[in-house]
Amino acid sequence: TQLLEQSPQFLSIQEGENLTVYCNSSSVFSSLQWYRQEPGEGPVLLVTVVTGGEVKKLKRLTFQFGDARKDSSLHITAAQPGDTGLYLCAGVGLNRKLIWGLGTSLAVNP
Amino acid sequence: IAGITQAPTSQILAAGRRMTLRCTQDMRHNAMYWYRQDLGLGLRLIHYSNTAGTTGKGEVPDGYSVSRANTDDFPLTLASAVPSQTSVYFCASSDAGGGSINEQFFGPGTRLTVL
Repeated sequence: TQLLEQSPQFLSIQEGENLTVYCNSSSVFSSLQWYRQEPGEGPVLLVTVVTGGEVKKLKRLTFQFGDARKDSSLHITAAQPGDTGLYLCAGVGLNRKLIWGLGTSLAVNP
Repeated sequence: IAGITQAPTSQILAAGRRMTLRCTQDMRHNAMYWYRQDLGLGLRLIHYSNTAGTTGKGEVPDGYSVSRANTDDFPLTLASAVPSQTSVYFCASSDAGGGSINEQFFGPGTRLTVL
């Protein structure tokens, strides 16, 4: 069974701080996606990483796919209150269905 | 362009009643999905459809049924609701072609309470 573990589960920081959240598995994924979900809304895709070692940047967000395609990280520089939300990673599994992590709930306090 | 719409936004339902959650997409995506999201359990796949006319079971299909009569609509039916089906339900779609990437687009969700 393919599983994705996210850490930390909860994170509360002050505006302007940097943070990193992790998505780890013992399984290899063909690609991995990061979503952000705001309260009362559905998840919204942020990025897809496909190649081992790949790094993608989205403004202050930096996503990295591990060399072995088993893990990924999301780094946010100078966090803002608008970054508050639930960050979910999802790997494309053996049958092309998404394997979801439980998410990291981020609160950025002004 | 609306993307994915879901109805109702929220519903309180008596146990034993039948309920259909509606989902419509206007992106002409071939694949559609129903998830439930519960605190501590994350997103769990209930049913999916890879193309109109076909459906499949996900991780937690018991007590739910779906149909896919056309590309745009993917209703989820609870035949006889039970309190454990209290959850937030999300419909999603993807343009799941021959490649390995399965990027999904989500609706706003339906918050269902079964009493």
